[in-house]
Amino acid sequence: QKEVEQDPGPLSVPEGAIVSLNCTYSNSAFQYFMWYRQYSRKGPELLMYTYSSGNKEDGRFTAQVDKSSKYISLFIRDSQPSDSATYLCAMSSRNTPLVFGKGTRLSVIA
Amino acid sequence: GAVVSQHPSRVICKSGTSVKIECRSLDFQATTMFWYRQFPKQSLMLMATSNEGSKATYEQGVEKDKFLINHASLTLSTLTVTSAHPEDSSFYICSAEDRTSSTDTQYFGPGTRLTVL
Repeated sequence: QKEVEQDPGPLSVPEGAIVSLNCTYSNSAFQYFMWYRQYSRKGPELLMYTYSSGNKEDGRFTAQVDKSSKYISLFIRDSQPSDSATYLCAMSSRNTPLVFGKGTRLSVIA
Repeated sequence: GAVVSQHPSRVICKSGTSVKIECRSLDFQATTMFWYRQFPKQSLMLMATSNEGSKATYEQGVEKDKFLINHASLTLSTLTVTSAHPEDSSFYICSAEDRTSSTDTQYFGPGTRLTVL
């Protein structure tokens, strides 16, 4: 079993839809959880950061972490064509390198 | 968020030559920088962890003599691909960790696309 599992998609949704992106993981030591957005041929951009369990909201983005289920989610409300990108989940424990999911390719169709 | 730059953004070179890629943290000091490689439609693959003032730690399967890393200051790390071959063609991305923040967050550079002819 890989440390971090993420469905690569592609996921295609109409503009305005709510998007749900998810990752599961196996290492219970992970306590830092991040979501990165990567546009084609660009470096990843940090979107959301969450420490331990709980929810965090930033504009149209909500990140959720459920450590008991080893499951994290990113929700995008009122999705826009400009949200079309690859979304990577990443996680780590203290002072260890980030472990990335494979990324989910999202297309938001106008 | 913090800014990390990479130079060059794109490089094309002949087989057998060496290529140096620079990674800079522009508005914070990064004691630790990371170098990743990414193939098309694949996730990031960690190559090595670079700590300022000490030797880099390479991931299994990454040749340290092939991919030379130097982290001479708190804002600059370099990756040199020595005697590059076509199979080294890839997207190389660095990241820098801002440990002054409470989050230990990594910020990524824009990446360098290397094409070896």
